[in-house]
Amino acid sequence: KNEVEQSPQNLTAQEGEFITINCSYSVGISALHWLQQHPGGGIVSLFMLSSGKKKHGRLIATINIQEKHSSLHITASHPRDSAVYICAVRRNTDKLIFGTGTRLQVFP
Amino acid sequence: DTGVSQNPRHKITKRGQNVTFRCDPISEHNRLYWYRQTLGQGPEFLTYFQNEAQLEKSRLLSDRFSAERPKGSFSTLEIQRTEQGDSAMYLCASSPRQRMNTEAFFGQGTRLTVV
Repeated sequence: KNEVEQSPQNLTAQEGEFITINCSYSVGISALHWLQQHPGGGIVSLFMLSSGKKKHGRLIATINIQEKHSSLHITASHPRDSAVYICAVRRNTDKLIFGTGTRLQVFP
Repeated sequence: DTGVSQNPRHKITKRGQNVTFRCDPISEHNRLYWYRQTLGQGPEFLTYFQNEAQLEKSRLLSDRFSAERPKGSFSTLEIQRTEQGDSAMYLCASSPRQRMNTEAFFGQGTRLTVV
């Protein structure tokens, strides 16, 4: 079993819909990252969380440390949000352990 | 600062050839990481450096792989005698001096295709 599991693996939405991507992990962590990867490969950091909730524009990330679960929400989704969203956790060493990603496609 | 820079962006090589990739981290970042990502999967850790010291290597890093960071600035990842299974995206990331809970800064990656 992977240490970081994401769901769903693939997600399609109509423009304007509210989107939720879930991440569960099975190990103790010091922080959790949400990352965005566009075709071509570059990865952009969206959030780093160790507790609670963060918001940036239309993106909201939450984490429940006790339940070992995090969610990424996108409000009023737009076709430019189409990308792969990756959850990654940081343990006591500095390296990241990644989920397999959620491929999101938003259609106009 | 232009962020983490990786070169080349794409590399096609014949099986058995050696390849070398370069990563230039953000200038004040002393930690540098290499990850490998195969199609449809999340990245997997390969190795990381603090300054010029290589502190951890994954068992994914076979003896055909070697990474260096000679002056604690840029890093190179060399793959000798490439195999088709080495085809992947090789990602470099850097982070600043603070040990824990730092943002992750990634390069654009080098996509390797072994034919």
